[in-house]
Amino acid sequence: ETGVTQTPRHLVMGMTNKKSLKCEQHLGHNAMYWYKQSAKKPLELMFVYNFKEQTENNSVPSRFSPECPNSSHLFLHLHTLQPEDSALYLCASSQDLRGDYEQYFGPGTRLTVT
Amino acid sequence: AQKITQTQPGMFVQEKEAVTLDCTYDTSDQSYGLFWYKQPSSGEMIFLIYQGSYDEQNATEGRYSLNFQKARKSANLVISASQLGDSAMYFCAMRVEETSYDKVIFGPGTSLSVIP
Repeated sequence: ETGVTQTPRHLVMGMTNKKSLKCEQHLGHNAMYWYKQSAKKPLELMFVYNFKEQTENNSVPSRFSPECPNSSHLFLHLHTLQPEDSALYLCASSQDLRGDYEQYFGPGTRLTVT
Repeated sequence: AQKITQTQPGMFVQEKEAVTLDCTYDTSDQSYGLFWYKQPSSGEMIFLIYQGSYDEQNATEGRYSLNFQKARKSANLVISASQLGDSAMYFCAMRVEETSYDKVIFGPGTSLSVIP
């Protein structure tokens, strides 16, 4: 595997379910990010991690719970979601938190909350 | 407020022609960076090109070039010799310095369709 991978690619869940999204980067990067992409809205940054430590929680509701066990893996645990949480969730990584480094994105998980 | 504006929701271009996608930005920071990303229907955001605020030369990367006009706060993407595979959403983004990390702010995107 190369680059940034995300599983699952598609997820349908009820409002009372608990599920997790997984992201893995094979690039040796230090920083990882979760973004939410809703229809007709710009990409929204959710969480930032650097060397497993959370650097930013961009006012995300507590029904989204991130976990970063090591610098290569990032999870997003979901529980008691709302229909408006339906979106494409993108994971990204970059060499470092600062500097002229582009972010490398995974293919995303398309989440539908019913 | 720091913001990216892309005024063209949708664009069409004939195959093999050049196309310019507009991007204007708003920041009071002296140090920042500008990115362009491509998002095909598969969903993955693909990095295309980067321009730092202190770079004097316009960035180029193969068929992509960034027309950087600092005084006008614009960073337009020029795609030369369009190909069918260029059909996708294109996002302009700006890197700004926050307290503990550099944040990337994305614009709303422009949908490009290449016509055979």
